[in-house]
Amino acid sequence: NAGVTQTPKFQVLKTGQSMTLQCAQDMNHEYMSWYRQDPGMGLRLIHYSVGAGITDQGEVPNGYNVSRSTTEDFPLRLLSAAPSQTSVYFCASGLAEAYEQYFGPGTRLTVT
Amino acid sequence: GESVGLHLPTLSVQEGDNSIINCAYSNSASDYFIWYKQESGKGPQFIIDIRSNMDKRQGQRVTVLLNKTVKHLSLQIAATQPGDSAVYFCAESNKGNDMRFGAGTRLTVKP
Repeated sequence: NAGVTQTPKFQVLKTGQSMTLQCAQDMNHEYMSWYRQDPGMGLRLIHYSVGAGITDQGEVPNGYNVSRSTTEDFPLRLLSAAPSQTSVYFCASGLAEAYEQYFGPGTRLTVT
Repeated sequence: GESVGLHLPTLSVQEGDNSIINCAYSNSASDYFIWYKQESGKGPQFIIDIRSNMDKRQGQRVTVLLNKTVKHLSLQIAATQPGDSAVYFCAESNKGNDMRFGAGTRLTVKP
C-alpha cells in the first residue's frame, strides 16, 4: 500500500491564482481531512470528510473548497490564493472519525 | 476559546534517559487524546492514543497518562534514543468530529 499520497510536494503561486492540492489514499478509509501547519504551530483542521459525498468545515475553512466524489480522493482547492495561505498542507485519512489518522508527506505552498 | 497547549516548547534529554512531554487541555468535553511524532520534512506519525475513560495506556517504550481532574496529558518515553528526536504534538477530539492540535514540543536527544 502507498498509504496517503499528496501532490505536488512544492508549489509557488501568485496572489489571486487558483490551484488544487491532490490527496489520495489506498487504505479504504472513510475519514479524510486537510490540515495546514504554520511555523511553530500545530496543525489546524481546514475541512474533513466522513465518506464519499460528505464534507464539513474544520477550524479554518475560509478560502478553501473540498469535494469527495470517491472514497480514495479528497482534493483541496484554493480559489484565489493569498499570502496568508502560505503554509505546509497535510492530508490525512482514518478508518472512522478523527481517531488515529495516517498523514501524507505534505505540500509546501508559497503564495507571493 | 478552548484550546490544547503544551507546557514547554523544547526538551533536551540525554540518550538513555526517560523523557516526559506534557500537554494541557481545556475542553472538558474531549473524549479522545492522541500523541503524534513529526520528524523534519515529514507528516505526523501516530504514537499512542487514550480515551477519556482511561488514566493510563502503555505502548512500546511509550506511556500516555491522562489526568482529567487537572486536564493534563503526558507522554513518557523510556530509554530515549537519538531516533526519538522530533516534534511531538498532543491532540484532542470530541466524539471524533475534529482534532485540535497543540503547538508541539521539540525533543532533542543528546548522545
